[in-house]
Amino acid sequence: SYVLTQPPSVSVAPGQTARITCGGNNIGSKSVHWYQQKPGQAPVLVVYHDSDRPSGIPERFSGSNSGYTATLTISRVEAGDEADYYCQVWHSSADHPPYVFGTGTKVTVL
Amino acid sequence: QVQLVQSGAEVKKPGSSVRVSCKASGGTLNNYALSWVRQAPGRGLEWMAGIVGIYGRADYAQKFQGRVTITGDESSNTVYMDLSSLTFDDTAVYFCAISHVDTVTGWFDPWGQGTLVAISS
Repeated sequence: SYVLTQPPSVSVAPGQTARITCGGNNIGSKSVHWYQQKPGQAPVLVVYHDSDRPSGIPERFSGSNSGYTATLTISRVEAGDEADYYCQVWHSSADHPPYVFGTGTKVTVL
Repeated sequence: QVQLVQSGAEVKKPGSSVRVSCKASGGTLNNYALSWVRQAPGRGLEWMAGIVGIYGRADYAQKFQGRVTITGDESSNTVYMDLSSLTFDDTAVYFCAISHVDTVTGWFDPWGQGTLVAISS
């Protein structure tokens, strides 16, 4: 099965940069998507196709993907960025669903 | 931009079934692919099933095969997710989401607000 591993938590001071990693076997060959989920709310797409941003998502959110690690970078972090973040890929396999989510990372703004 | 509104919270007994609805506005569901994703309390996201268009082919995660069914109603622009033989492990928030699919990948945007399904004896 294909597993996406994220750090359980990342802490960052306001105005600083948060980097959230997503590790997977040869993930650089896949297209990675990122979601932000605030408590009690539905996930919101913040980055798709490794580094594209949907309309309405601030430029502070950016993504990269190479080798065995994809990264979501949040620049000039604000208090409102505090949330859980999930990476996601599409992986065709007979032994698990085609859509695979990462384990999730809780971002805490100090 | 299409928006998705889901039905309200449900409390069910073990062994029973539940139906969750997902109604779209601002667009016709027959023009989209839609997925169901669930999230157990304090846990991550898990894809369950998807359908292409209101009456299109449905795909189900192997874990839920035989217990989940997705159907649609064009007149109300609504897709339904039925889950049967409920156990305590099915307690979760269930989300519907528009699936965007190209030749090599797929992602979800937007999402419904979520429906809590609690299994209690």
